[in-house]
Amino acid sequence: EAQVTQNPRYLITVTGKKLTVTCSQNMNHEYMSWYRQDPGLGLRQIYYSMNVEVTDKGDVPEGYKVSRKEKRNFPLILESPSPNQTSLYFCASRRMTTPATNEKLFFGSGTQLSVL
Amino acid sequence: DAKTTQPTSMDCAEGRAANLPCNHSTISGNEYVYWYRQIHSQGPQYIIHGLKNNETNEMASLIITEDRKSSTLILPHATLRDTAVYYCIVSAQAGANSKLTFGKGITLSVRP
Repeated sequence: EAQVTQNPRYLITVTGKKLTVTCSQNMNHEYMSWYRQDPGLGLRQIYYSMNVEVTDKGDVPEGYKVSRKEKRNFPLILESPSPNQTSLYFCASRRMTTPATNEKLFFGSGTQLSVL
Repeated sequence: DAKTTQPTSMDCAEGRAANLPCNHSTISGNEYVYWYRQIHSQGPQYIIHGLKNNETNEMASLIITEDRKSSTLILPHATLRDTAVYYCIVSAQAGANSKLTFGKGITLSVRP
């Protein structure tokens, strides 16, 4: 089954304790992206990657890191989490085509992160 | 990207058609209309998209007005599982980044 898999589904941590949220897709998609969703603010893009070893900042990258060493994986790293990073996080992927407009995003099931 | 305006919420009876409106009066010629939905904090799910012509797939139909300033998503036979937040998005996806801006969407409640 084609899917984007995120882990963990729920995570509670404390301020300053490094954590990684994993994301993996089995569709051989070139493009992957991370979003956070907060009440009243909709989904906001954190980082995205258009291929292996190619990453770029989205709209809210502060406090986050990503890496793309393999095509299927795109982990989100919080080096020193803070309470304002408490949010619902989604990973997404799609094929890269030209033009890009005709490709739909596939989303993971989400990771609910609480930073105390 | 052009902005969209959707009602906050609507409901419909199970088995009936659900018609979800969206206004995008500032849409540009190269911008597509996308619809996604999100069922209770799950990941958003793609439904359909279109540029000028009406589109239909196994999930829904998309009707775009001739001036492209508004569109309607139609779920022909709504079920309880269609209860969700539906997002109407317009985007040209400049470059190759999926800059889909998800607004607040419309909450559809399907009643038995």
